[in-house]
Amino acid sequence: AIRMTQSPSSLSASTGDRVTITCRASQGISSYLAWYQQKPGKAPKLLIYAASTLQSGVPSRFSGSGSGTDFTLTISCLQSEDFATYYCQQYYSYPTWTFGQGTKVEIK
Amino acid sequence: QVQLVESGGGVVQPGGSLRLSCAASGFTFSSYGMHWVRQAPGKGLEWVAFIRYDGSNKYYADSVKGRFTISRDNSKNTLYLQMNSLRAEDTAVYYCAKDPGLNRAAAGYFDYWGQGTLVTVSS
Repeated sequence: AIRMTQSPSSLSASTGDRVTITCRASQGISSYLAWYQQKPGKAPKLLIYAASTLQSGVPSRFSGSGSGTDFTLTISCLQSEDFATYYCQQYYSYPTWTFGQGTKVEIK
Repeated sequence: QVQLVESGGGVVQPGGSLRLSCAASGFTFSSYGMHWVRQAPGKGLEWVAFIRYDGSNKYYADSVKGRFTISRDNSKNTLYLQMNSLRAEDTAVYYCAKDPGLNRAAAGYFDYWGQGTLVTVSS
């Protein structure tokens, strides 16, 4: 199975900061990568798919990049509503799909 | 708008069974594959099962293979997960999630999620 490793596991940041989260796949997955945001007690929400395509309705301060094994999620100007846990997910290996362990973005 | 509403969670003893349901609305349910994804308390996300839009193919995570069965009733716009031989490690919030692939095999990611239903396996 393809393992997805996110770093860091958690980070502290302030409103207005630029935040970058990294996701590494244990083998090449082309651009078959999605990012999700999850707030406490809520379901995950799709932010980005195909590594860099923004889901409809997601603010443009979110962006994704990468291909192969290394990917990043960037929040250009952190807003209060962005404090949450973020997960990457590979969908290259049909039909088993795996998530990273999550990155919690906390208020500094 | 797309709405997914899970039900059927609860407390069950180890070795017991439970059936989860997911009522879908706001889209053509019969045209999209559907998934179950779970999250143990305080833990990350784990994909559990997928069923093709027409029910012709079903896939499972190794951790539930042989114990869980995914199914759907397109006439009722409802997805199911039959869980047998439950173990303590199956304790989790179970989410149903829509696959964005239209009338095809899975795209493999999840564009809409339900609010989840909690399953607790404990004696």
